[in-house]
Amino acid sequence: QSVLTQPPSVSGAPGQKVTISCTGSSSNIGAGFAVHWYQQFPATAPKLLIYANTNRPSGVPDRFSGSKSGASASLAITGLQAEDEADYYCQSYDISLSDSRVFGGGTKLTVL
Amino acid sequence: QGQLVQSGAEVKKPGASVKVSCKASGYTLTDNFVHWVRQAPGQGLEWMGWINPNSGATNYPQRFQGRVTMTRDTSISTAYMELTRLRSDDTAVYFCAREDGNEVFDIWGQGTMVTVSS
Repeated sequence: QSVLTQPPSVSGAPGQKVTISCTGSSSNIGAGFAVHWYQQFPATAPKLLIYANTNRPSGVPDRFSGSKSGASASLAITGLQAEDEADYYCQSYDISLSDSRVFGGGTKLTVL
Repeated sequence: QGQLVQSGAEVKKPGASVKVSCKASGYTLTDNFVHWVRQAPGQGLEWMGWINPNSGATNYPQRFQGRVTMTRDTSISTAYMELTRLRSDDTAVYFCAREDGNEVFDIWGQGTMVTVSS
């Protein structure tokens, strides 16, 4: 019952491309608020991966890219590598819930 | 670049309270909001609110109002999150995170495991 909807899991073989979607509504992504993406490995803190829809912090490989259209956003990973296997979360801002930050439910990426 | 270091794991009984600390280094605590996010075992991330360390102002989502209190001690660059009337479903890893001013959580603490069990 997360405010932002992500697929629970995606998978791909090494070298392939995968895309993770994040669907919101007119009170968050659709209202124009930015989407940010985080990568989380087991038993570690999330790490910022993409900010403001399309921007990579320094040190994040350009295999990771973000996009946004309407009330949805996507994270694409090209040239999939075994070390990309992790959980991925989208996050945005929601005006209907009093200055709330909202997360997607998370997507488990499995590298086959 | 900055770092957030949290206090250690806690085990509490139902009905008790827990207070988790989050010490900032490498940047000035009062320059950025600090948010708290929790993650129950095997579950996703849940936002718990923010504190403006400069003014002490706070904002909590309705589901936590009345049970959570966020404070800070600027003299030791530390933010705190206290959760009262603990229940078993409060068992989770609690993270603090710095907001960069554009609703982005750019620095995270390592997490604090809080276990609520009788």
